[in-house]
Amino acid sequence: GAVVSQHPSWVICKSGTSVKIECRSLDFQATTMFWYRQFPKQSLMLMATSNEGSKATYEQGVEKDKFLINHASLTLSTLTVTSAHPEDSSFYICSARGPLGDTQYFGPGTRLTVL
Amino acid sequence: GEDVEQSLFLSVREGDSSVINCTYTDSSSTYLYWYKQEPGAGLQLLTYIFSNMDMKQDQRLTVLLNKKDKHLSLRIADTQTGDSAIYFCAESIQDYGQNFVFGPGTRLSVLP
Repeated sequence: GAVVSQHPSWVICKSGTSVKIECRSLDFQATTMFWYRQFPKQSLMLMATSNEGSKATYEQGVEKDKFLINHASLTLSTLTVTSAHPEDSSFYICSARGPLGDTQYFGPGTRLTVL
Repeated sequence: GEDVEQSLFLSVREGDSSVINCTYTDSSSTYLYWYKQEPGAGLQLLTYIFSNMDMKQDQRLTVLLNKKDKHLSLRIADTQTGDSAIYFCAESIQDYGQNFVFGPGTRLSVLP
């Protein structure tokens, strides 16, 4: 089946720094990628939808200047958490969808801890 | 490893009830979720249930959990055309982090 990877799997950073998370579709071209955030004791919440070559569409309440998303190629999308604060600590999961069908393939997730 | 299974397709008539079923293999699952994916959109959380619960009701949605059989169902009462979507069942053994396993999704078609 299709494989989606994320890097890094776990990152610890100091408050005020920026962190970049990569999401790659390894064996298919992902025209659309989704970024989710998981809060403790809650489930995945959609943050934004990213289409290759265009600006991401953010869900209500998600700060676009805080969470920068770039989808420059059909196999790579990046999420940059700018000026991270402890409340940004979370588990970030991406998923990728190919040009055919609605099936999403999920990455393994990235745990971000901001000290 | 963990596995979550769902039937792939379901068709119902508008106004009828829809029941989407899901089975999972990991007996240590703590949280079980239902997500909805509309065409072209990302997943939206519909509801979730803790493994120590048997039932959860939220407006038109009723979730039933049979831990013995590892069976989860989502019932949508008075199904509307706007309910047409793909519904994903997911399980997690912890409330945060990895080990999040999704089923393949059930495509619900609501006929007028």
